[in-house]
Amino acid sequence: QKEVEQNSGPLSVPEGAIASLNCTYSDRGSQSFFWYRQYSGKSPELIMSIYSNGDKEDGRFTAQLNKASQYVSLLIRDSQPSDSATYLCAVNLDNYGQNFVFGPGTRLSVLP
Amino acid sequence: EADIYQTPRYLVIGTGKKITLECSQTMGHDKMYWYQQDPGMELHLIHYSYGVNSTEKGDLSSESTVSRIRTEHFPLTLESARPSHTSQYLCASSDLSSGQPQHFGDGTRLSIL
Repeated sequence: QKEVEQNSGPLSVPEGAIASLNCTYSDRGSQSFFWYRQYSGKSPELIMSIYSNGDKEDGRFTAQLNKASQYVSLLIRDSQPSDSATYLCAVNLDNYGQNFVFGPGTRLSVLP
Repeated sequence: EADIYQTPRYLVIGTGKKITLECSQTMGHDKMYWYQQDPGMELHLIHYSYGVNSTEKGDLSSESTVSRIRTEHFPLTLESARPSHTSQYLCASSDLSSGQPQHFGDGTRLSIL
């Protein structure tokens, strides 16, 4: 079992819809969770960090964390074609930042 | 805004050449990383460092080597490039404090002929 898992996609949503991206992780002791966006041919860009259970909102993005279920998600409201990219979930698997693991990424396609 | 720089951005070079990919950051971060990523594929950690004089191999076996003589500089070297080394190489850094994210440079796209 991989330490951080994501559906590879592609996930296709129509413009204006809500895109929901999911991530599960294996280590119950994980403390820090991140979402990165990566456009084709570009480097990953940090878009959200979340450290405690619940929701964290930033503009059209909402990160949701459920440590009991070992699950973190990213919701993108009012999806735009410019949101089309691969979204990487990343987890610090311990409290000392010594085991930072990226998931394989989910490719999102927002259709005009 | 992360201040981490990679040079060159693109490199096309012949087989057998020695190559050094540069990575520098101005944030004073102790931790630095090198990832290899093929188009449409996931990131693979090949090297990382906790600070000066610290280097560790990552999850993916690589024929490259790294050095960390200064905090801000983490170059990656291929002694003899081969076509199998063709890939994108991404450098990242993070603060040593727990819970901090990694910040990436723009990457070097390497093509070995």
